[in-house]
Amino acid sequence: QSALTQPASVSGSPGQSIAISCTGTSSDVGGYNYVSWYQQHPGKAPKLIIYDVTNRRSGVSDRFSGSKSGNTASLTISGLQAEDEADYYCSSYSSSSIVLFGGGTKLTVL
Amino acid sequence: EMQLVESGGGLVEPGGSLRLSCVVSGITFNYAWMSWVRQAPGKGLEWVGRIKSKAGGGTTDYAAVVKDRFTISRDDSKNTVYLEMNSLKSEDTGVYYCTHVGSIWDRIDSWGQGTLVTVSS
Repeated sequence: QSALTQPASVSGSPGQSIAISCTGTSSDVGGYNYVSWYQQHPGKAPKLIIYDVTNRRSGVSDRFSGSKSGNTASLTISGLQAEDEADYYCSSYSSSSIVLFGGGTKLTVL
Repeated sequence: EMQLVESGGGLVEPGGSLRLSCVVSGITFNYAWMSWVRQAPGKGLEWVGRIKSKAGGGTTDYAAVVKDRFTISRDDSKNTVYLEMNSLKSEDTGVYYCTHVGSIWDRIDSWGQGTLVTVSS
């Protein structure tokens, strides 16, 4: 039941694109198309932005997109904006009927 | 619009117990699957456990680190889900979020504002 692996931090300039990876195993990320991504601003509760690997939640900017290859899922944010600066977490359903979260990635917009 | 409001957090000594409550509105609660997620100060999110709807079997699952110490239950007549925490340890300190599970594949689609639990002597 190890957490999913995310980079601790990523950064980019306004207008650029960045990608955040989320690596698991064939028992979670690789075995199911049930990866979600959450955005959390300081002092706030997380918000769902992507679910089932690629589906954008209603109301979420189309600058956010999700994908998966093998045991690694990715969140891509294009056209970076200052308001995108936040912590991002992935999660995945697992074969143990539990939910695994990634350790979180701090996005800094330079 | 769905609302989840947690209560019951506070300061408790190591080895003590605490019960968190979460009142849910804006949905048909008896069909809802609910879960709890916690976040230690300055740390990431950690799934605590989930309770299915009674129609879904009403069963619970827990993270290994809290299994046998924490219990999730529900009272559909009160639109409320509970997290009973026993044998608390300092590492249980954090903000506890009540969350709504939007699919049988554990998609968490709504979060409460969180309630802070501090385990310290």
